[in-house]
Amino acid sequence: EVQLVESGGGLIQPGGSLRLSCAASGFTVSSNYMSWVRQAPGKGLEWVSVIYSGGSTYYADSVKGRFTISRDNSKNTLYLQMNSLRAEDTAVYYCARVTIFGVLVWGQGTLVTVSS
Amino acid sequence: NFMLTQPHSVSESPGKTVTISCTRSSGSIASNYVQWYQQRPGSSPTTVIYEDNQRPSGVPDRFSGSIDSSSNSASLTISGLKTEDEADYYCQSYDSSNRKWVFGGGTKLTVL
Repeated sequence: EVQLVESGGGLIQPGGSLRLSCAASGFTVSSNYMSWVRQAPGKGLEWVSVIYSGGSTYYADSVKGRFTISRDNSKNTLYLQMNSLRAEDTAVYYCARVTIFGVLVWGQGTLVTVSS
Repeated sequence: NFMLTQPHSVSESPGKTVTISCTRSSGSIASNYVQWYQQRPGSSPTTVIYEDNQRPSGVPDRFSGSIDSSSNSASLTISGLKTEDEADYYCQSYDSSNRKWVFGGGTKLTVL
């Protein structure tokens, strides 16, 4: 069974850093496209980033230069390194197994709260 | 760049059929596949339609997707409505010009 389990969320002060993890099972992360999608409280879905199986990465303008998507093939885990965090980055962050076009499987999400 | 516009809310009675639209602001709706996601209150999203009209395994055939080039829009149709269908529904497509994804604002479906 395909499963994605996110972790690493929490309360962080503005300007701080946080790394989210997404442990995958039932498939190989490195052979698939993987994405992060976020949802601010009471708001809609927002695409954050994608990493292709070949290693290419792409980011939403709102996070480019501050966030980095990566993976650890030995741990079959996806990451999102988030630096220079802002209040507007407060959201539930979902990890997803995707195609180039959209999401196939969603994780359960992890909440990131940026506040002093 | 383009936007996807959805109605804020729709409502219908159990057993009836409802259609949720998703209109693309520029460029052809047919140029890239459209996906539809369901998000029940307090839950993570799930995919109900991918690649315009494909249903993942486990999604009932009451859910169907289509695109209409004349109105430059995609539609999600749910027939035989059940109270469990009450949720937020989001459309999404890929922008091949910049390799980014675009989400619609979401539609709240009320089944009453």
